[in-house]
Amino acid sequence: AQSVTQPDIHITVSEGASLELRCNYSYGATPYLFWYVQSPGQGLQLLLKYFSGDTLVQGIKGFEAEFKRSQSSFNLRKPSVHWSDAAEYFCAVGPSGSARQLTFGSGTQLTVLP
Amino acid sequence: GAVVSQHPSRVICKSGTSVKIECRSLDFQATTMFWYRQFPKKSLMLMATSNEGSKATYEQGVEKDKFLINHASLTLSTLTVTSAHPEDSSFYICSAIGTSYEQYFGPGTRLTVT
Repeated sequence: AQSVTQPDIHITVSEGASLELRCNYSYGATPYLFWYVQSPGQGLQLLLKYFSGDTLVQGIKGFEAEFKRSQSSFNLRKPSVHWSDAAEYFCAVGPSGSARQLTFGSGTQLTVLP
Repeated sequence: GAVVSQHPSRVICKSGTSVKIECRSLDFQATTMFWYRQFPKKSLMLMATSNEGSKATYEQGVEKDKFLINHASLTLSTLTVTSAHPEDSSFYICSAIGTSYEQYFGPGTRLTVT
């Protein structure tokens, strides 16, 4: 069965600092990987996705993520965090070639200090 | 493009009554829609997969008679929580897939059962 682990429940960074949110997955085949962001009381917005090709993917709002097959990881990064980035971040994995049956991690709450 | 709406955004109902939540794909035809439930500080739990014109597929542990799902058209799916109880209070999120390998999420519906 596929699973996603986000080991950090809560991360606090200062505005302007760099950010890395960790995501590890377990999946039998080549996965389809996603990062979503959720603001309080809102739905999920797709930040970026990895399907194939270049393992470093660029997303919206200055985010990027790197797929490392050897480490089963898909960590999300941003070089300089803005106060508006404070939100909940979810990593998700799905079967290759499909957005069905996504499995979500437990989420990482990001707090940004002024 | 690829906008999914939900209505209502918030609903309060009395215990024992039923409440219907609508999920619409506004600018694309959704062959498949998903319904998720999210508890506070928790990840998304897939409740059911809804395919247009056919019966929904429920995840293990989700009561199909309590959570009625109808996907009558390519742009509309509804979730009806029947005989709601306080433990059904939650944040319900729908998503939709068109022709791309991506789920588009609605903004969610906050249900409170008193």
